[in-house]
Amino acid sequence: DVKVTQSSRYLVKRTGEKVFLECVQDMDHENMFWYRQDPGLGLRLIYFSYDVKMKEKGDIPEGYSVSREKKERFSLILESASTNQTSMYLCASSSGTATGELFFGEGSRLTVL
Amino acid sequence: AQRVTQPEKLLSVFKGAPVELKCNYSYSGSPELFWYVQYSRQRLQLLLRHISRESIKGFTADLNKGETSFHLKKPFAQEEDSAMYYCALMGGRRALTFGSGTRLQVQP
Repeated sequence: DVKVTQSSRYLVKRTGEKVFLECVQDMDHENMFWYRQDPGLGLRLIYFSYDVKMKEKGDIPEGYSVSREKKERFSLILESASTNQTSMYLCASSSGTATGELFFGEGSRLTVL
Repeated sequence: AQRVTQPEKLLSVFKGAPVELKCNYSYSGSPELFWYVQYSRQRLQLLLRHISRESIKGFTADLNKGETSFHLKKPFAQEEDSAMYYCALMGGRRALTFGSGTRLQVQP
């Protein structure tokens, strides 16, 4: 059974702080994704990665960066958090041959004050 | 560019009534379409994909390329179907584009 684990379920940060959101998957998946989920907007793709040290911008990459140093781990970084980054962040992974079947983590709810 | 539109934010039906969750897409190529579901306090998960042509939990969805639609249907709604449903598209990149979601409420 695929397990995608997000290290923090709830975070409260202040404007300007640097924020790290960590995601680990245990199924040797090639592809990993970060989405943010907002009411009325659905899921919007921030960044994704299809291999170690590879990354591609999604639809809303501004204000975010990512790191994938190991296959199982994909980190989302907010260099200087802002209030409009208050959201639910979802990490997901998929295998190289089934890119449409995503396995999601439980989410990290970030509040920026 | 690829886009997924779910026109209804909320769909409320009574138990036993038919359900149709609408999804329209725009993509110039030949897309793959999916429905994902998120039950209360659970992870988002895949419900079904158009290439499988399968029925999952009584739900079906047919890809209509002429109308660029992929509506999700169930003939008789159950209370346990209450959830958030997202339509998603796989186009030219290796990542899904999701719609804004529709909350389905099935009342007893």
